[in-house]
Amino acid sequence: EDQVTQSPEALRLQEGESSSLNCSYTVSGLRGLFWYRQDPGKGPEFLFTLYSAGEEKEKERLKATLTKKESFLHITAPKPEDSATYLCAPIGSSGSARQLTFGSGTQLTVLP
Amino acid sequence: DGGITQSPKYLFRKEGQNVTLSCEQNLNHDAMYWYRQDPGQGLRLIYYSQIVNDFQKGDIAEGYSVSREKKESFPLTVTSAQKNPTAFYLCASRGGTFMNTEAFFGQGTRLTVV
Repeated sequence: EDQVTQSPEALRLQEGESSSLNCSYTVSGLRGLFWYRQDPGKGPEFLFTLYSAGEEKEKERLKATLTKKESFLHITAPKPEDSATYLCAPIGSSGSARQLTFGSGTQLTVLP
Repeated sequence: DGGITQSPKYLFRKEGQNVTLSCEQNLNHDAMYWYRQDPGQGLRLIYYSQIVNDFQKGDIAEGYSVSREKKESFPLTVTSAQKNPTAFYLCASRGGTFMNTEAFFGQGTRLTVV
């Protein structure tokens, strides 16, 4: 059975204080991974798809990286508007590819 | 504009009642999903459907039912058998080859038992 773990559960940063969020997983035949951002009371918003180990993608202050067993979401010089819950979802090659299982998320708070 | 529409945004249910949450998409996506989210928690999969007239149980299907009579629509019924239905419900859809296409989410329905 596929497992997805995100850490830390919650993270508080001062504005400008860079950090990383982790998504680790055990899936059969990893084919990629999604990162989403979710604001309170809203549906998740797609950020990135990473398809292979070693791949990196960037969007503003966010950079996502992927290895065979984990993915990191690096946040450089965050601003208060980056405060949200960040969710990851690995894509396996079996039925999990269709089920789309998410981690429990990291709740990020950036203080001004 | 293409997207996913969930309605209503807020829903109140009395104990013992069934309620149906609506999810409609005009993205021409084959796959649709229902997730439940509790405060401070991640998304838990209730049901998903890859094609019209077919659907599969997710991790927490007990007390819920779905139908997929049209490609655009995937309603979720929360039955009286669901003992703790108060939660935030999210619908999503996904197109193309399922293996690597991202899901698009609606804005959610917050269900409260009164």
